Amino acid sequence: KQEVTQIPAALSVPEGENLVLNCSFTDSAIYNLQWFRQDPGKGLTSLLLIQSSQREQTSGRLNASLDKSSGRSTLYIAASQPGDSATYLCAVHAGGTSYGKLTFGQGTILTVHP
Amino acid sequence: SAVISQKPSRDICQRGTSLTIQCQVDSQVTMMFWYRQQPGQSLTLIATANQGSEATYESGFVIDKFPISRPNLTFSTLTVSNMSPEDSSIYLCSVEVWRDTEAFFGQGTRLTVV
Repeated sequence: KQEVTQIPAALSVPEGENLVLNCSFTDSAIYNLQWFRQDPGKGLTSLLLIQSSQREQTSGRLNASLDKSSGRSTLYIAASQPGDSATYLCAVHAGGTSYGKLTFGQGTILTVHP
Repeated sequence: SAVISQKPSRDICQRGTSLTIQCQVDSQVTMMFWYRQQPGQSLTLIATANQGSEATYESGFVIDKFPISRPNLTFSTLTVSNMSPEDSSIYLCSVEVWRDTEAFFGQGTRLTVV
């Protein structure tokens, strides 16, 4: 059974800092990996999808990497802003007969203060 | 991408009653899923909504409690039956438009059972 762990559980930083969120998974036979953000009481917004054949993806100030062999992904946020404050979720896409199903980590609660 | 509309966005229900949540997608999608997010927790997959056949439920979830319909490729419903306070959660609909692409989520339905 796939298990996904995110570290740290919470992070509070001053505006402008660069930061790294970590995600690890127990079964390296994943299909894809996706990062989301969730604002309080809201649904999920997709940030980045890393396909299984890729090692990283970039979107604006966000960069996500994937190392399947070690079971790890990182989300790098450059020059953080108060608007980045949210919960960040890592989700692993299953393949095979479980195709399309996502297993989520517990999330990292990020607070960026002015 | 896909735009997903969920209704209702929130509801407060009496224990013992049932609530049906609707998920409408702006394009035809192959795969639709229902997730639950309990307070302070991450997301857990309830079931895969299959068009033209019965839903496929994950361990711990049963059809009598969470009946699902999927009459076509753009619409699905999830019913939470015989509700108890433990069913208070956010329920989210998710889709994957094409194989090997991002998963998208609706804004969720915040359910409170009193």
